[in-house]
Amino acid sequence: EAGVAQSPRYKIIEKRQSVAFWCNPISGHATLYWYQQILGQGPKLLIQFQNNGVVDDSQLPKDRFSAERLKGVDSTLKIQPAKLEDSAVYLCASSSGTEERETQYFGPGTRLLVL
Amino acid sequence: GNSVTQMEGPVTLSEEAFLTINCTYTATGYPSLFWYVQYPGEGLQLLLKATKADDKGSNKGFEATYRKETTSFHLEKGSVQVSDSAVYFCALSEGGSQGNLIFGKGTKLSVKP
Repeated sequence: EAGVAQSPRYKIIEKRQSVAFWCNPISGHATLYWYQQILGQGPKLLIQFQNNGVVDDSQLPKDRFSAERLKGVDSTLKIQPAKLEDSAVYLCASSSGTEERETQYFGPGTRLLVL
Repeated sequence: GNSVTQMEGPVTLSEEAFLTINCTYTATGYPSLFWYVQYPGEGLQLLLKATKADDKGSNKGFEATYRKETTSFHLEKGSVQVSDSAVYFCALSEGGSQGNLIFGKGTKLSVKP
């Protein structure tokens, strides 16, 4: 079974530029999460989707971050414009969405450096 | 709000030493508890989990017991190997619409031969 795919793996941009990350979850997984992991910290949830609907985006900085999952499969996270403090690893995770307290499976992450 | 506190690292051990990484949590409900591991250059992998009080999760020689009375989920391994060198994250989830994971800051483990 293929795991969670993410691209690109690395991205370097200058502040005020825009950037987009892509995630393809495990086939059949209804729930998709985006997390931000700043160096030296644990991942923090940005947004949770159930199929193509948003379940929780309370910690997403909506003035600059946006995310979509139009067909309930893959997802895109965008930052526009980027700030220095957005430098982090952006992790995508998915779970089947069929049971309570289920396991989340993580992709390799996209490492973003904002200069 | 819900939170997870892990012991500060880094932790450096010799091969075959005993490992304990402490984890305590604060939660309003009855969360599931997890340990994830991040090997150098790789993504997060689930190491073990426990979904209710007194459950013991185990995998690859690691184990942790869900202690509701002490709100703890300490990770232990009897004999570490060099290949166990990684960052270990304790996390909780309340499931359903609050199914997102809340992570501790991580503990870096280095095992020397």
